[in-house]
Amino acid sequence: DSGVTQTPKHLITATGQRVTLRCSPRSGDLSVYWYQQSLDQGLQFLIQYYNGEERAKGNILERFSAQQFPDLHSELNLSSLELGDSALYFCASSPGGVVSSYEQYFGPGTRLTVT
Amino acid sequence: AQSVTQPDIHITVSEGASLELRCNYSYGATPYLFWYVQSPGQGLQLLLKYFSGDTLVQGIKGFEAEFKRSQSSFNLRKPSVHWSDAAEYFCAVATYNTDKLIFGTGTRLQVFP
Repeated sequence: DSGVTQTPKHLITATGQRVTLRCSPRSGDLSVYWYQQSLDQGLQFLIQYYNGEERAKGNILERFSAQQFPDLHSELNLSSLELGDSALYFCASSPGGVVSSYEQYFGPGTRLTVT
Repeated sequence: AQSVTQPDIHITVSEGASLELRCNYSYGATPYLFWYVQSPGQGLQLLLKYFSGDTLVQGIKGFEAEFKRSQSSFNLRKPSVHWSDAAEYFCAVATYNTDKLIFGTGTRLQVFP
């Protein structure tokens, strides 16, 4: 158990809908990262938040957005869903220091199926 | 741009045999390197990491990896594989000025009794 929690574990929804994925980082970690894992794209970095502020952006679609709240939990919002958005979405956290930023601990993931 | 290559998509070994999973990276300076393992239906677990110093790093579950700058490689090894090691293994790289991890495509390990 990494200490990172994600809810829900599974999500099935229809095209065009909007969903919210939730992540709670390990106790004390200030950085939260979101990754998407799909068969065709592999593991792709989406976005990082550090202590409430957006810090880095990767291959995140404009239909996707995220935020980190004062209690440090994070939410990833996916809207106007398409079939191709079906994937496993991981959240990871790290303390956020210069070196330790890179040691990321992953949650169990949320499997999103768009039908 | 940084990249990671894992040349082997699928490897099959017998239980008790030795294992080496290959990883090559592309980056101009010294990278930060990681190996993660993903069991079916699970998240990614950090096996080991290399930041600097000794080029042979030890990790959990009896795994080790060696950083070879001249070959731009960071291969994962285990002297004797157990059936519970069957999983997908990902090599990843991070650089000093970014916080994101760039992952390879993964190597699926199958272990036969």
